[in-house]
This record gives sequence, C-alpha cells and structure tokens, in this order.
Amino acid sequence: AQSVTQLDSHVSVSEGTPVLLRCNYSSSYSPSLFWYVQHPNKGLQLLLKYTSAATLVKGINGFEAEFKKSETSFHLTKPSAHMSDAAEYFCVVTLFLSYNTDKLIFGTGTRLQVFP
Amino acid sequence: SAVISQKPSRDICQRGTSLTIQCQVDSQVTMMFWYRQQPGQSLTLIATANQGSEATYESGFVIDKFPISRPNLTFSTLTVSNMSPEDSSIYLCSVGGSYGYTFGSGTRLTVV
Repeated sequence: AQSVTQLDSHVSVSEGTPVLLRCNYSSSYSPSLFWYVQHPNKGLQLLLKYTSAATLVKGINGFEAEFKKSETSFHLTKPSAHMSDAAEYFCVVTLFLSYNTDKLIFGTGTRLQVFP
Repeated sequence: SAVISQKPSRDICQRGTSLTIQCQVDSQVTMMFWYRQQPGQSLTLIATANQGSEATYESGFVIDKFPISRPNLTFSTLTVSNMSPEDSSIYLCSVGGSYGYTFGSGTRLTVV
C-alpha cells in the first residue's frame, strides 16, 4: 500500500540557514513523489516532482529533493532559507488508478518557520 | 498545466443547510478529485469524479453527504449536505496526472 510519512510536524530555522524537511514513503511499485507548498490562506503550489527520471530533482524557489530508493526517502532541502519560505509543506505519493491518472496520498504536513 | 477556477472562495452557512462548490477547468480532463482539509490538518481525498459515471468515494465519505456531479470534461460540483459544524473545512478540487496535479484555490466553509 502507498503511504507517506513526514517525520517532523514543525521545523524552525533562521533565515540564511539550510532547510531540511524529511519524508519517507512506502510503495509497492516505483512511485511518483511530489512536494507541495501551502502558504497561509493560499492554494497549493507544486514545488517539485519525481517521476523515475533523475533522482535529484530541482524545483522552484531553490528547493530540491533527492529520491533514495534504498532509504525510501524523498527529503526536501534548500541551502539558504528565506522569510518567504515560511509555509506548510506536504510530501505526496501517488497510488496508480489508471493510465496517466493516479490518486494522491498526502503526508500530514510540516510547518516551516523562518526566524530573522 | 490546467487552470482551475473554484467558487465560492468562502462561505458561512447555517447548520442543516447545503452548499454546492463548483470547479471549472480550462481544459478537458478525465478525472477530477475532491479533497477536504480540516483545520490544521492535511488533505484527505473525498472522491474521484469521472465524467459519465458515478463518483468513487473514499472510506468515510458517502454520496448522500457529499453528492458530486460531473456533467462534462471541464466541470464538476461537490455538495456538502445537511451541514454541521464538523463540516467546517477547506474543500479543494484537483486535476492532473503523473506530470503533476493542479489544485483549485479552495473553498473555506464555516458552519455555524
């Protein structure tokens, strides 16, 4: 069965320091994995996606994530946090439904706080 | 990627009433998905809506409470019926595929 676990409900960093948001997944087949960001009172925005191409995926706003099959992980990183990065981040794994259509399984979310 | 227009963006409703949420997509899509995000929580899939057939509901969600219409490949509605304060949530629609998923801006529902 497909599932995703976000290991930290809250992460706090200082502006300019690295960000690490952890995500582990469980999948019975090679999954697609996504990271979405949700700013307060805003919609969901796709940060990046892994779909069995390169294991290191670069996304928007300087974020990247590395797919590690041996560790079943897909951690999100950014070298230097910015105040505008403060938001809720969701790790998402797909469950195959039919050709070109999957169901999304959301993690519980990680709230990132960035202090000046 | 597709662009979704969702409305209303928010509403305050009396308990016992119903609210219908609409999602319009700027391109034809096979499946549309409806999610609920309770306060401070993650997203939970309510149902998958395929054009021309009945929606498929996830465990814990039933058609009588959350009827869905999917009259064509660009439009869907979700109705929250006989509302109670426990239904206060953000409701979102979504479309997409392995390339990624786009979400509507959400409907923030408060039941009083």
